[in-house]
Amino acid sequence: DTEVTQTPKHLVMGMTNKKSLKCEQHMGHRAMYWYKQKAKKPPELMFVYSYEKLSINESVPSRFSPECPNSSLLNLHLHALQPEDSALYLCASSQGEYGRGRETQYFGPGTRLLVL
Amino acid sequence: GESVGLHLPTLSVQEGDNSIINCAYSNSASDYFIWYKQESGKGPQFIIDIRSNMDKRQGQRVTVLLNKTVKHLSLQIAATQPGDSAVYFCAETPNTGFQKLVFGTGTRLLVSP
Repeated sequence: DTEVTQTPKHLVMGMTNKKSLKCEQHMGHRAMYWYKQKAKKPPELMFVYSYEKLSINESVPSRFSPECPNSSLLNLHLHALQPEDSALYLCASSQGEYGRGRETQYFGPGTRLLVL
Repeated sequence: GESVGLHLPTLSVQEGDNSIINCAYSNSASDYFIWYKQESGKGPQFIIDIRSNMDKRQGQRVTVLLNKTVKHLSLQIAATQPGDSAVYFCAETPNTGFQKLVFGTGTRLLVSP
């Protein structure tokens, strides 16, 4: 089983709203990732959690706030977003180690976000 | 900075043909390479991977070739089917900082019946 689930599938929010994206995996993976993908572009890394600790923040604006409540869950809290933040937000997970394919990242279906 | 690029943005093939999608990478420290398939409205799906100590790896209907001399990666799909229509991304990671996948720009594969 290589399933990563994400909710909601679609989200429309105003610039003053607060919303959260959720991601879940039950593969026992210890690294989880948030990516942003604009249309016709490759995914861009935002955050990495490794063993429930934030290990990489790719200089993401503070209006995006990640949270890892436990090893299976990853949230992305959104506040005061801009229209240019509209994109597909992808979650991924990996075993969290290097070598023998353990670094392979498996992606969820994404949340399509529209900021009005 | 380092980048992973693709030679062709769109590849059109007939059903039953073999498809070859190419990718160039520039980071000589790249150690691990992955091909992903992304269908419209979905997340990237893992297809096949290869490590730098190999030059070929085969899966079901797919083969990945790695040429480290010219820093070139290719994905071969045998007997292409309409269900193979998607955007294909190559991605690479060095052995240090392996959690930072670097994606190529993507190639759209269009399969005509």
